[in-house]
Amino acid sequence: DTEVTQTPKHLVMGMTNKKSLKCEQHMGHRAMYWYKQKAKKPPELMFVYSYEKLSINESVPSRFSPECPNSSLLNLHLHALQPEDSALYLCASSQLVSQSTGTGKYNEQFFGPGTRLTVL
Amino acid sequence: AQSVAQPEDQVNVAEGNPLTVKCTYSVSGNPYLFWYVQYPNRGLQFLLKYITGDNLVKGSYGFEAEFNKSQTSFHLKKPSALVSDSALYFCAVSDPYNFNKFYFGSGTKLNVKP
Repeated sequence: DTEVTQTPKHLVMGMTNKKSLKCEQHMGHRAMYWYKQKAKKPPELMFVYSYEKLSINESVPSRFSPECPNSSLLNLHLHALQPEDSALYLCASSQLVSQSTGTGKYNEQFFGPGTRLTVL
Repeated sequence: AQSVAQPEDQVNVAEGNPLTVKCTYSVSGNPYLFWYVQYPNRGLQFLLKYITGDNLVKGSYGFEAEFNKSQTSFHLKKPSALVSDSALYFCAVSDPYNFNKFYFGSGTKLNVKP
């Protein structure tokens, strides 16, 4: 299985709602990522999990709360979002390459299809 | 700081003609370079990567890229474009101090006309 799946495909929420985005992979990857992408722009890194622990938080507002319950699953909990948070949210996974021993040889990231989020 | 530049917002090419999508990079240390393609309302699909070795890298769907260290470039190429190649293309570089962190270029929209 070489696929990253994301649910839901589309989500519309009000600014007071609480919702969650889900991501799943079964490639045995131990690094998982959340990106935010605005139309016709590159993905912006939000969070990186390594071995189920948060390793990078790119100064993301606390209204976004990531969670990695196990090595296959990644969630993004949303609360009190703003209209400017409307975007395509992409999940990705990759092999985890050690800085001390690895060469980056296997670290291409595999992306899910994304969740199109609209905040009203 | 690591960075990637894609100087063209858009590239137009006729079907059957060769295509080139440009990418230049600026990294400290050895660059690990990637190309991804994105179709409308979809995630990014991995095309190819350069880590070490041969400067000409072959990837998916007939694409290839040439790594040029002296010009710090990693241009994406295809000998004969298809209409179905029309999409948004992103060049990316892996942070040499954290391989799991990518820096993406701004993207190039490729339009292949019949």
